[in-house]
Amino acid sequence: DAGITQSPRHKVTETGTPVTLRCHQTENHRYMYWYRQDPGHGLRLIHYSYGVKDTDKGEVSDGYSVSRSKTEDFLLTLESATSSQTSVYFCAIRGGSSGANVLTFGAGSRLTVL
Amino acid sequence: DAKTTQPTSMDCAEGRAANLPCNHSTISGNEYVYWYRQIHSQGPQYIIHGLKNNETNEMASLIITEDRKSSTLILPHATLRDTAVYYCIVSDSNFGNEKLTFGTGTRLTIIP
Repeated sequence: DAGITQSPRHKVTETGTPVTLRCHQTENHRYMYWYRQDPGHGLRLIHYSYGVKDTDKGEVSDGYSVSRSKTEDFLLTLESATSSQTSVYFCAIRGGSSGANVLTFGAGSRLTVL
Repeated sequence: DAKTTQPTSMDCAEGRAANLPCNHSTISGNEYVYWYRQIHSQGPQYIIHGLKNNETNEMASLIITEDRKSSTLILPHATLRDTAVYYCIVSDSNFGNEKLTFGTGTRLTIIP
């Protein structure tokens, strides 16, 4: 799994609370991504990073912020969680044994906002 | 604006070859075709990719038409563990500058 760890794996929170999801990698990959997955929508890109402190928006970035202060960690923050952000969140890195342009995904973080 | 079109679902008998089609009629010359699959609620897993030539690895074969407007992923001897959602994606090779877009894929069910 290319040394990708997502935490927490499961979280239940209330509307209006802040939430931070962490993606940790151990192989020094430059590019990291956050996706969300909802029924009927496949995977949608939220934000991605192309280096320390270098990030950019994806197609569904509203309501989310990210930070990458060191290569190994990419944090996704929901400043004030809403029920529409109930989803499964996947982190991915680009590269690894399958090829430089291949994405390797983490196991996912299931977030429920009540 | 989807760059690929895949059937929503398919069934295949266990032990037979599963052939999953993908249309990518607007593919450009420097774009590769990638296939991933997602088993149940796990993270998507890379299967194979190619540019213009057919490719084979330990998991599958990828057949790309000569005009590159469509491709077929072949699982030669499908097992129950191949039941998954399969995603076909096109992307150029400009490292890191493209944002891979995953559609809803094809839900493949292997029938015992």
